[in-house]
Amino acid sequence: AQKVTQAQTEISVVEKEDVTLDCVYETRDTTYYLFWYKQPPSGELVFLIRRNSFDEQNEISGRYSWNFQKSTSSFNFTITASQVVDSAVYFCALSEDKNAGNMLTFGGGTRLMVKP
Amino acid sequence: DAGVTQSPTHLIKTRGQQVTLRCSPKSGHDTVSWYQQALGQGPQFIFQYYEEEERQRGNFPDRFSGHQYPNYSSELNVNALLLGDSALYLCASSLAGSNSPLHFGNGTRLTVT
Repeated sequence: AQKVTQAQTEISVVEKEDVTLDCVYETRDTTYYLFWYKQPPSGELVFLIRRNSFDEQNEISGRYSWNFQKSTSSFNFTITASQVVDSAVYFCALSEDKNAGNMLTFGGGTRLMVKP
Repeated sequence: DAGVTQSPTHLIKTRGQQVTLRCSPKSGHDTVSWYQQALGQGPQFIFQYYEEEERQRGNFPDRFSGHQYPNYSSELNVNALLLGDSALYLCASSLAGSNSPLHFGNGTRLTVT
């Protein structure tokens, strides 16, 4: 069975601090997809990134970066120089290859609060 | 370009009643998935519809059923409501075979009293 664990339920930082959100996953599949979504107070889940299990290259997009390590089954998300607008709940998710990202198993989420 | 739209935004029902939630997928999308998100938890997959048929289903009882129409819009029906059905219900759409990520709507907040 698949499982995603986000051990940090809530993180509070001051604006401009860097923050890393942890994600650990479990799966028996050799091919799978990993995702991060952001959920602002409006409720909509906003897609941030998708990685397949064969692509361990780290990715940077502006102030966001992701570190994927299959050896530790982790897919961590770092926000550099955090801003108040980054305040939201962030979800890590996993999908088997056969679902091609349509049937997601989500972690419990990490609530990030960025204070001015 | 309209995104995923869901209605209603909020709903209050009594235990034992039935409820229908509606979703219109993003323009160009043909696949609709439904997720249940209890307060303080991550979303859980309910089921997915494609070509008007249920294609995949998560670990939810038969009280949860759905439908997809020829225009790709979808409904989620829940019968014999329980207090534990109170949650945010999220609809997501995608285009089959496109390998595109899911696009989510803002959800319907269901409260069962």
